[in-house]
Amino acid sequence: ETGVTQTPRHLVMGMTNKKSLKCEQHLGHNAMYWYKQSAKKPLELMFVYNFKEQTENNSVPSRFSPECPNSSHLFLHLHTLQPEDSALYLCASSQAQGDNSYEQYFGPGTRLTVT
Amino acid sequence: GQNIDQPTEMTATEGAIVQINCTYQTSGFNGLFWYQQHAGEAPTFLSYNVLDGLEEKGRFSSFLSRSKGYSYLLLKELQMKDSASYLCAVRDRDYKLSFGAGTTVTVRA
Repeated sequence: ETGVTQTPRHLVMGMTNKKSLKCEQHLGHNAMYWYKQSAKKPLELMFVYNFKEQTENNSVPSRFSPECPNSSHLFLHLHTLQPEDSALYLCASSQAQGDNSYEQYFGPGTRLTVT
Repeated sequence: GQNIDQPTEMTATEGAIVQINCTYQTSGFNGLFWYQQHAGEAPTFLSYNVLDGLEEKGRFSSFLSRSKGYSYLLLKELQMKDSASYLCAVRDRDYKLSFGAGTTVTVRA
């Protein structure tokens, strides 16, 4: 399944670096999501975009900055991260938020390590 | 918010049946989902329940009782490839998904 792609797959960065994660969906969906998955913890919803508009910011620290230039692309800009931000960051898409189409399709994730 | 509980780990033998329970507390309910996630891979959709009862899809079935805040995922005729993490997720009235921590199922020969 290559409907949702994410780059890079692995990223190691220092606390003073600035980097960006990229997500692209080829499914014609209008809603895109960022999740954080830490070991032994539930997936945490971070941001939701519906038709390019941000509809959800789940109390995420400002060192994470999302960008959605169009319905197919989603970015997560990272700066001055902390070691506890090390996790798997998953992107997902669905037809639209609030649509009865119920599936979210996930990308393979970016494994982020902050040193 | 949502409070979703599921067991951390389960082990079963190839060919056997395993049932993964999920209980939830939610301020609004708009469907329950099960996803499968192999190590290092994306979660993939398995099943969806919004009404009470059993949904069957091949070797996998999912059950929902809204009054009890309870669901289970039943995996039959287990195969080695079924070794994975199984995630229970509840969608609220705002169409946000909240996930449980996942149940790691290990299938042994």
